[in-house]
Amino acid sequence: KAGVTQTPRYLIKTRGQQVTLSCSPISGHRSVSWYQQTPGQGLQFLFEYFSETQRNKGNFPGRFSGRQFSNSRSEMNVSTLELGDSALYLCASSREGNIQYFGAGTRLSVL
Amino acid sequence: QKEVEQNSGPLSVPEGAIASLNCTYSDRVSQSFFWYRQYSGKSPELIMSIYSNGDKEDGRFTAQLNKASQYVSLLIRDSQPSDSATYLCAVNGNAGNMLTFGGGTRLMVKP
Repeated sequence: KAGVTQTPRYLIKTRGQQVTLSCSPISGHRSVSWYQQTPGQGLQFLFEYFSETQRNKGNFPGRFSGRQFSNSRSEMNVSTLELGDSALYLCASSREGNIQYFGAGTRLSVL
Repeated sequence: QKEVEQNSGPLSVPEGAIASLNCTYSDRVSQSFFWYRQYSGKSPELIMSIYSNGDKEDGRFTAQLNKASQYVSLLIRDSQPSDSATYLCAVNGNAGNMLTFGGGTRLMVKP
């Protein structure tokens, strides 16, 4: 069974640009959560989507947004990039029962 | 503000010893508790989940939960150099999947 797939694995952007990250969950998993990991702040929850609806949201500015498609694939968008957005972005999928399995992550560098 | 606290370490143990990792959480309504292992440059990998008070054993790993004391621990028996990693404690109290992570404890197992 394939795991959680995140694309791309690495991204380099400049300040002010926007970026879209993609996540394909494990087959049969309808919940997709996104996290940001930085050395200073650790792992922080961004948002969760379930059945195409945002179910939970973390404490991040509105520049961070996401969506989920009918096949449970999810995308995350960051607009007007700032240097501080440089991080590892992790996607996790889950059935109900809330064990989350993480993808390999997308490492974003903002220059 | 929900918080999960871990000693950042490093915790250094000799090969074959028992490693004891601890975690406290602030939100009394938390229902689900997880330990993830993260190797440098990799994504978190689930080690254990625990939902009720007491001990749960899986191979060399034992998770312990005490909801009255708001305390979760992970014991690793017969520690191996390959266990050297950062161990993340995560807590979920909401409907849905929204994990709050501790800062992680870096474990070093010396041959």
